[in-house]
Amino acid sequence: GDSVTQMEGPVTLSEEAFLTINCTYTATGYPSLFWYVQYPGEGLQLLLKATKADDKGSNKGFEATYRKETTSFHLEKGSVQVSDSAVYFCALSLDSSYKLIFGSGTRLLVRP
Amino acid sequence: NAGVTQTPKFQVLKTGQSMTLQCAQDMNHNSMYWYRQDPGMGLRLIYYSASEGTTDKGEVPNGYNVSRLNKREFSLRLESAAPSQTSVYFCASSEDRVNQPQHFGDGTRLSIL
Repeated sequence: GDSVTQMEGPVTLSEEAFLTINCTYTATGYPSLFWYVQYPGEGLQLLLKATKADDKGSNKGFEATYRKETTSFHLEKGSVQVSDSAVYFCALSLDSSYKLIFGSGTRLLVRP
Repeated sequence: NAGVTQTPKFQVLKTGQSMTLQCAQDMNHNSMYWYRQDPGMGLRLIYYSASEGTTDKGEVPNGYNVSRLNKREFSLRLESAAPSQTSVYFCASSEDRVNQPQHFGDGTRLSIL
């Protein structure tokens, strides 16, 4: 079935370090891909999205490129801040559905 | 600027009690969703409503019922709460077109003793 796999956390980095959070997917058809972020005590917020192969989504310094050949959508940021500490979820939606399928989430902790 | 509003934010129940979680959105979205979030398991879809007047089961519907009261409101009911239903519950809404992002409420933290 359709699924999303994320690297397990927590990921602990120092401020200004480079971030990569891996995400791979399995899907029939051609999904759209999303990254959501959840700050402590809050709901999920859309961070970025890509709807077709080779698209790059970007927002707030974060980027992810839709790689069909490797079925991946890895999240990257060149220089993290303490305020980026949160849980990050990769998700997909299929052309035929409004529903989202989420990965298990990766907790990021950025130390000053 | 409310977006998706969930009530209550916290609740403690005893096994066997019933409870309704409320959700309302002010973005004129047709589609609404209920998820549960458990450690290490991401979000799992309980029920969704593609449009007013329709509801469908998601991945984990057992033990829950839903009501799409009108376009704005989508409630989730636990008829006889069980400890396995201890979780954080999120409501979300979206436009009823593919590839649209979902907008989430802040969640209801539910503990069942």
